Amino acid sequence: ELKVEQNPLFLSMQEGKNYTIYCNYSTTSDRLYWYRQDPGKSLESLFVLLSNGAVKQEGRLMASLDTKARLSTLHITAAVHDLSATYFCAVEGSSGYALNFGKGTSLLVTP
Amino acid sequence: NAGVTQTPKFRVLKTGQSMTLLCAQDMNHEYMYWYRQDPGMGLRLIHYSVGEGTTAKGEVPDGYNVSRLKKQNFLLGLESAAPSQTSVYFCASNSYGGLDYEQYFGPGTRLTVT
Repeated sequence: ELKVEQNPLFLSMQEGKNYTIYCNYSTTSDRLYWYRQDPGKSLESLFVLLSNGAVKQEGRLMASLDTKARLSTLHITAAVHDLSATYFCAVEGSSGYALNFGKGTSLLVTP
Repeated sequence: NAGVTQTPKFRVLKTGQSMTLLCAQDMNHEYMYWYRQDPGMGLRLIHYSVGEGTTAKGEVPDGYNVSRLKKQNFLLGLESAAPSQTSVYFCASNSYGGLDYEQYFGPGTRLTVT
């Protein structure tokens, strides 16, 4: 059974600080996804990481993938309040490319 | 393109009532999925379909049925709703091959069973 673990589950950080969210998964998977979800909204795709060593950046967010360690990171640089949201990582399982999600990291950026 | 749409957006049911949630996509995707999201649980796969006329069980299929009679539609049915089915339901779709690995999510249906 594919398991996806995120940590931390809750993160309160000050504006301007840097932090990293970690995503570990239990079995080999070809692709890893990061999503953002605002309260009451659907999931917004942030990154799709396709191969070992993949690194993608968008604004203050940077995601990387190490398939050998089964680890992905989402790094936040100089956080701003607008980044407050819940962030999910997900990996493809064996059910027709359906995704197995972590429990999410609830991020709150405070002044 | 409307992308992935879901009907209804909100619904309140009494225990034992039935209902059908409709998911529609206009991207000609082969694969469609139903997930549920509960607080602190992330999203969990209920059922999925790899093409018109095919369906399969996911991680949490009990109490739900699905049908995919048309490629663009994926229906999720609750025959006898239970309070444990109170959740937010998301439909998603994707194709495979080429350069598009994205899975596209609908806006969600918030269901409360009393």
